[in-house]
Amino acid sequence: GEDVEQSLFLSVREGDSSVINCTYTDSSSTYLYWYKQEPGAGLQLLTYIFSNMDMKQDQRLTVLLNKKDKHLSLRIADTQTGDSAIYFCAETFSGNTGKLIFGQGTTLQVKP
Amino acid sequence: EAQVTQNPRYLITVTGKKLTVTCSQNMNHEYMSWYRQDPGLGLRQIYYSMNVEVTDKGDVPEGYKVSRKEKRNFPLILESPSPNQTSLYFCASSLSWQETQYFGPGTRLLVL
Repeated sequence: GEDVEQSLFLSVREGDSSVINCTYTDSSSTYLYWYKQEPGAGLQLLTYIFSNMDMKQDQRLTVLLNKKDKHLSLRIADTQTGDSAIYFCAETFSGNTGKLIFGQGTTLQVKP
Repeated sequence: EAQVTQNPRYLITVTGKKLTVTCSQNMNHEYMSWYRQDPGLGLRQIYYSMNVEVTDKGDVPEGYKVSRKEKRNFPLILESPSPNQTSLYFCASSLSWQETQYFGPGTRLLVL
């Protein structure tokens, strides 16, 4: 079935790298997404990766996709206090009418 | 500015009192969708719409109705709200069901 799992909490120091992990069960995923939710705010699309890619880099963000292990990660380089938020991974897959399957969200705490 | 808007942003109501949460997008998107966010569960799809006059159930449609009379609007209707519908609601839209979805700011609903 459709399932996306994330660890719930990550704490890092400002300037360090953060790595947020996500595993999914559906092998027919087409796109995998990372969304950011700041306190009291909506969901902001950070980046996405097509399922036939292994890696995507966008400034401080690096997405790695391991299709064999169904594992997705988001690395944030030089993490800043403004990166403190909840990060959701989500997938969509062929034939699912556009529904996004979300993980539970990982709360990233950045300490000064 | 391209955006998805929702109204109201916050709502407190009582059990059984009908309410409508509006969603509007100015991007000429065909696909629109409603999600609810609950702690520890991530976001789950309630209803979606492929285009005008085309709507269908998502994973958690019970207690909700939608309509899509115009391309830009996709209201969510709770005919008889109950306390288990207390949640954070997000509207999203995309060019088509296969494209990236953009989210509104969210509506926080409390049903007493």
